[in-house]
Amino acid sequence: QLQLQESGPGLVKPSETLSLTCSVSGGSVSSNNNYWGWIRQPPGKGLEWIGSVYYSGNTYHNPSLKSRVTISVDTSKHQFSLNLISVSAADTAVYYCARSLELLDAFDIWGQGTMVTVSS
Amino acid sequence: EIVMTQSPATLSVSPGERATLSCRASQSVSSNLAWHQQKPGQAPRLLIYGASTRATGIPARFNGSGSGTEFTLTISSLQSEDFAVYYCQQYNNWPSFGPGTKVDIK
Repeated sequence: QLQLQESGPGLVKPSETLSLTCSVSGGSVSSNNNYWGWIRQPPGKGLEWIGSVYYSGNTYHNPSLKSRVTISVDTSKHQFSLNLISVSAADTAVYYCARSLELLDAFDIWGQGTMVTVSS
Repeated sequence: EIVMTQSPATLSVSPGERATLSCRASQSVSSNLAWHQQKPGQAPRLLIYGASTRATGIPARFNGSGSGTEFTLTISSLQSEDFAVYYCQQYNNWPSFGPGTKVDIK
């Protein structure tokens, strides 16, 4: 079955760029029924959608983060990625990748999440 | 932006009892509402989508209802594995989540 796995540095310095990758297995990142999303959860807090990408490369972002976020997809590597620039302590969170069957849809498959701490 | 609110923040329930969780949207989301369950240290798990449709493998004791701006998740007879945090998510517009309801043991 479809599985997602996040990877990337667990510690990022303030003002630098947070970069994460989500590897897709058991299915195709190029499927025309899948959108791939990033969601984060600060410690002890709720969930925030960051953005989503389609295999064609079309991207959609949370307006509150849009200017700092880049999401891309690499179909040859069966991966999609998140870059968040100019990070601060407020970006410390568990970052999840997830799948939805439509752009506006429930997230039905989630990765296990990866903790990213922003600190010098 | 559609703002989601949930009540109560914490619900204390005894095993075997019914739990009723509420979710409200700041504007109509039609039936584009999902419920997710999250246990400590784990990723969220989709329980309900389309306001009332159970996801694959979800037990029948989980029931969702509502439309527009008012939604309810009912767990008919709480099992030990149901003690968790529950989030609602709207997807009528850019996705947004409620702050969660923690269901703990009374």
